[in-house]
Amino acid sequence: QSVLTQPPSASGTPGQRVTISCSGSSSNIASNYVYWYQQLPGTAPKLLIYRFTQRPSGVPDRFSGSRSGTSASLAISDLRSEDEADYYCAAWDDSLSAYVFGPGTKVTVL
Amino acid sequence: EVQLVESGGGPVKPGGSLRLSCAASGFTFGTNSMNWVRQAPGKGLEWVSSISSSSNNIYYAESVKGRFTISRDNAKNALFLQMNSLRVEDTAIYFCTRDYDSFALDFWGQGTLVTVSS
Repeated sequence: QSVLTQPPSASGTPGQRVTISCSGSSSNIASNYVYWYQQLPGTAPKLLIYRFTQRPSGVPDRFSGSRSGTSASLAISDLRSEDEADYYCAAWDDSLSAYVFGPGTKVTVL
Repeated sequence: EVQLVESGGGPVKPGGSLRLSCAASGFTFGTNSMNWVRQAPGKGLEWVSSISSSSNNIYYAESVKGRFTISRDNAKNALFLQMNSLRVEDTAIYFCTRDYDSFALDFWGQGTLVTVSS
């Protein structure tokens, strides 16, 4: 059981906007940075978002992050077939003194 | 170009030990914290351990505390994970990752597979 919760799946058609939620608590999301990672099938994860909203160089601005209280969200706009992947949220947890990942959300492009 | 190359994985029996290595290149290794993250077959990501640039701050997941030891050699641009008392549930791909900014893991190796089975 992860301390961060995500929906197991999300889907949309090309061009649509998809949002993935990540729910935590006062000891993680509410008090520390939230990160988002994308893992394409058979590859290592890739950092998409850090410090809630920042994108590393090369990550398109179709990907955006936000936080409100104990929850965070990743939005993918203008959905494309290459966005089919697993998406994980992560944050440092002060109570556990550990970096925790959510269980992951599989995004399917219909 | 930043490169992280893991090695040392393989089959091992329950109770056995393995030492993973990660060779880093393309950046000033001694200025970044480093982490190990693992992924069991068909499962999600699980953070394992973190070590600061000077090895002053080290953290472990509860699931490996007391059994795994993270270390680094900045002179050799290398990160290590000594794994003792291995369990079947430690079976996973182990990724070496660079910490760009307070756990923003911006570069990942290709991973090395550890299989714990009798």
